Amino acid sequence: GAGVSQTPSNKVTEKGKYVELRCDPISGHTALYWYRQSLGQGPEFLIYFQGTGAADDSGLPNDRFFAVRPEGSVSTLKIQRTERGDSAVYLCASSPTVHTGELFFGEGSRLTVL
Amino acid sequence: KNQVEQSPQSLIILEGKNCTLQCNYTVSPFSNLRWYKQDTGRGPVSLTIMTFSENTKSNGRYTATLDADTKQSSLHITASQLSDSASYICVVSAKSGGGADGLTFGKGTHLIIQP
Repeated sequence: GAGVSQTPSNKVTEKGKYVELRCDPISGHTALYWYRQSLGQGPEFLIYFQGTGAADDSGLPNDRFFAVRPEGSVSTLKIQRTERGDSAVYLCASSPTVHTGELFFGEGSRLTVL
Repeated sequence: KNQVEQSPQSLIILEGKNCTLQCNYTVSPFSNLRWYKQDTGRGPVSLTIMTFSENTKSNGRYTATLDADTKQSSLHITASQLSDSASYICVVSAKSGGGADGLTFGKGTHLIIQP
């Protein structure tokens, strides 16, 4: 498809488990963003990439969270030792350029930690 | 600190009525402001973009305004339809990036259109 694709759409896991969330951006978009959204809240910034490198990871809440984009396209958000407080929708967005605010979002991955 | 405040937090109106959503920001230096619509369970989709020199911009039944002096924007929805039920998020972009690529998100206004 032509849009941003995120998998899985839903993930239920147990506390303490490891989780990977995948984002496939729009082809040719250099910037890729991860956000976390809790119910009734706006998206909360986690990390963004320009190409392969993390340009800003200041939003990652702690060292259990890590994201990679090894070839400058697909990105994976990794969460170790999940906690119940990690439950949220994780949104990925891509942009053809940076600093414009023109984000194209995926449908999100809903993570539930039991 | 860059901030975006939206009001009201939630709003319920009858189908066919008009409504106006507000966004106040303190982002500096200002680059642009976007309104996004987020349907339940979906990702946000851009509705409009406002740059410093633009006062008003329309996209169908949606009209956005920007007052760069008072740092306020509004999104006016005319003749609301059931499909307008969604969260509307204001996102302000700062020039030259900065943290989070210079994007500051509001918490959104949750709009419900009742038949």
